Amino acid sequence: RKEVEQDPGPFNVPEGATVAFNCTYSNSASQSFFWYRQDCRKEPKLLMSVYSSGNEDGRFTAQLNRASQYISLLIRDSKLSDSATYLCVVTVNQAGTALIFGKGTTLSVSS
Amino acid sequence: DTGVSQDPRHKITKRGQNVTFRCDPISEHNRLYWYRQTLGQGPEFLTYFQNEAQLEKSRLLSDRFSAERPKGSFSTLEIQRTEQGDSAMYLCASSSGLSEQYFGPGTRLTVT
Repeated sequence: RKEVEQDPGPFNVPEGATVAFNCTYSNSASQSFFWYRQDCRKEPKLLMSVYSSGNEDGRFTAQLNRASQYISLLIRDSKLSDSATYLCVVTVNQAGTALIFGKGTTLSVSS
Repeated sequence: DTGVSQDPRHKITKRGQNVTFRCDPISEHNRLYWYRQTLGQGPEFLTYFQNEAQLEKSRLLSDRFSAERPKGSFSTLEIQRTEQGDSAMYLCASSSGLSEQYFGPGTRLTVT
């Protein structure tokens, strides 16, 4: 079983739609949780950290459920510029060093 | 540009040849990481340095791979006797302690 699993998609949505991505992780000792965004042929960039209390950044809301080992990302009012691959990421060791990435979920927003 | 830089951006080599990649981290960052990404997959951790010390290595880092960070600044990743399965994007990232990891643009390796 992969350490971090995501639905690869693609998710094809119109502008203005709300879209949700889900992710599960297998190691209950996972320490930190993130969503990264990766544009085609570019490097990954941190979108947001994910906390048990949930956190929101503009149109983006991330949630963590430690009991279910489940992470989510909600994007409201999708823009064309949101088209990218969204990577679910965890760290598993005490030092919080290696990032463990899921395969990513591809989002395509159309006009 | 004060971000992470990598050189070269692209490398095509024949099977069996050795290749070396360079990463220059953000100047004040003490931690440096190497990852590998193949098509359709997320990046996979290879190794990490704190200053000049290599503190963690993934089992993906076979004995054909070696990484150095001699002065705690730039790092090199060498692959000896390349195989077609080594074809991938090699990403470098840096951070200051446990803060956000910033990624470089990557080196795309094609082994023919």
